[in-house]
Amino acid sequence: NAGVTQTPKFQVLKTGQSMTLQCAQDMNHNSMYWYRQDPGMGLRLIYYSASEGTTDKGEVPNGYNVSRLNKREFSLRLESAAPSQTSVYFCASRQPGRKETQYFGPGTRLLVL
Amino acid sequence: GQQVMQIPQYQHVQEGEDFTTYCNSSTTLSNIQWYKQRPGGHPVFLIQLVKSGEVKKQKRLTFQFGEAKKNSSLHITATQTTDVGTYFCAARGIQGAQKLVFGQGTRLTINP
Repeated sequence: NAGVTQTPKFQVLKTGQSMTLQCAQDMNHNSMYWYRQDPGMGLRLIYYSASEGTTDKGEVPNGYNVSRLNKREFSLRLESAAPSQTSVYFCASRQPGRKETQYFGPGTRLLVL
Repeated sequence: GQQVMQIPQYQHVQEGEDFTTYCNSSTTLSNIQWYKQRPGGHPVFLIQLVKSGEVKKQKRLTFQFGEAKKNSSLHITATQTTDVGTYFCAARGIQGAQKLVFGQGTRLTINP
């Protein structure tokens, strides 16, 4: 099992460009999440998907859109990148139940110039 | 919304010294989880605490959940260089809630 995979690993964008961050999990988990991590800010939830076909806003959704393409895949789109979106982005998945471990992908490091 | 405060933000110790990080919430929590993130890596699940007053150990790591289920701590005895990283607590306010609220993390560095 690969667990949670993310592409790309690194990306440099110019202000105003758009891009999609891809995430896939092979653990048959229902729930998937997108976080951003900035120094001293911990992990902040951008969007999440409780199950296939549903998405909901997290703490910092502005400037982002998401698509739960199927049970495996959950993508994050930046329509018009801004320097404030320079961050490390982590995708995570979990299977709700008694043991609610979140499994994180390796992250995407995004620099917006 | 629910907030989880974690202190200290940074801790530098000599190898062999102990280390503790604390997590506090103003509201009662359903459960609390702890994650470790190595430099350049991603968060990795360490443990989940559910019961009031619960104490769990993993080798040199001791995790506690407060009696009121509003605070938690992670204590590392006799740190080793492999303990370097950032430790996060993460909490769910309500059982079954989708969102996990993360503390700001405590970054541990160790002088060998």
